[in-house]
Amino acid sequence: GESVGLHLPTLSVQEGDNSIINCAYSNSASDYFIWYKQESGKGPQFIIDIRSNMDKRQGQRVTVLLNKTVKHLSLQIAATQPGDSAVYFCAEIHPSYGNNRLAFGKGNQVVVIP
Amino acid sequence: ETGVTQSPTHLIKTRGQQVTLRCSSQSGHNTVSWYQQALGQGPQFIFQYYREEENGRGNFPPRFSGLQFPNYSSELNVNALELDDSALYLCASSVAGGRGTDTQYFGPGTRLTVL
Repeated sequence: GESVGLHLPTLSVQEGDNSIINCAYSNSASDYFIWYKQESGKGPQFIIDIRSNMDKRQGQRVTVLLNKTVKHLSLQIAATQPGDSAVYFCAEIHPSYGNNRLAFGKGNQVVVIP
Repeated sequence: ETGVTQSPTHLIKTRGQQVTLRCSSQSGHNTVSWYQQALGQGPQFIFQYYREEENGRGNFPPRFSGLQFPNYSSELNVNALELDDSALYLCASSVAGGRGTDTQYFGPGTRLTVL
């Protein structure tokens, strides 16, 4: 199916600490994964993506890890800032879709404590 | 800002009415996808338009329909509105939906409330 889920509904993190957001995906044939950030009242904002032929990808203050063996995706945010407070979604694309339709999970709220 | 715009920002309708939502894609993008996001949920794919034709559809009934225009802007039409249609409607544009992995950039959404 198109189920993409997150383990923790809410993550509270102290400003300056690192955050880790986890995601379990169900479709082992999915070949592209994306993390989006959604702030209140806004549309999802692209953070970082990773293809299934990679295990790790780094961006500015963010790292995505992909473990295909256990169908697990994680997003690490270094030195979390108040502006990182948002809902984070992982999404997947399956090659059978024939297009770049995204299958999202429910989301994970991150609250940064100043 | 992604350059994807949507109108209106908010909309209130009553059950049974029809609604049209609009989306302008980012410059250079020829593909628009529409998503429905219920409160507290992740966005759900409705359909995609690529070069003015529907290019894939999610599990939504036929009363959800769409159009894409030559300038790649798009409309989402919903007929016979139901209470459960209350949601945030998001559009996302990308360079070429047919290639499968082009990054989608989302607009701010239209908040639809059905009473």
